[in-house]
Amino acid sequence: QVQLVQSGAEVKKPGGSVKVSCKASGYPFSDSYIHWLRQAPGQGLAWMGWINPKSGDTKYVQKFQGRVTLTRDTSTDTAYMDLSSLKSDDTAVYFCARGSSHGHPSWGQGTLVTVSS
Amino acid sequence: SYVLTQPPSVSVAPGQTATVTCGGNNIRSKNVHWYQQKTGQAPVLVVYNDSDRPSGIPERFSGSNSGNTATLTISRVEVGDEADYYCQVWDTSSDQYVFGTGTKVTVL
Repeated sequence: QVQLVQSGAEVKKPGGSVKVSCKASGYPFSDSYIHWLRQAPGQGLAWMGWINPKSGDTKYVQKFQGRVTLTRDTSTDTAYMDLSSLKSDDTAVYFCARGSSHGHPSWGQGTLVTVSS
Repeated sequence: SYVLTQPPSVSVAPGQTATVTCGGNNIRSKNVHWYQQKTGQAPVLVVYNDSDRPSGIPERFSGSNSGNTATLTISRVEVGDEADYYCQVWDTSSDQYVFGTGTKVTVL
């Protein structure tokens, strides 16, 4: 079955950066975009962007432009989300999700990133 | 960018019907997806493209979309349906996914 397994929780200092991984299995990795979303504590869902695993093309929400970088490694079927210049309000659970023509049918378990001095 | 508005909370007794709305300008022109998120878990897609259900989702979950409002209906509500529910659309003008504000469904 389709699975997306994310890396573990991180604690980072303001100004630093974090890299979250998302390993896909159960389907051809290059066939579906990988989307990244986040959810601040007690808040709703926010979409950050996507990467096309086949081409490496990316799309980012303007809010994160310049601070987020999405990459992938097709040899290990893994996608990565790199967020830099961290601020306290970047504290959130970050999710990867498989893309499709009908929303996100599969999600990773989420990775808590805490930004604190 | 495009704004989706949901009621903060809906309360329903077991066995009754819960209705969650998602308001947006001419939302009928967009494909609406709905997610269920239980505490501490990742979201689960329960309805896509306004009214279709992924495999494994009970028929009790249904959706509709008309005018400026999309609706998720949960029939014969069970205690296990207690969760936050989010609507989602792709906004072509800003070229991004947009989520509703979320609705907490409480089963009394």
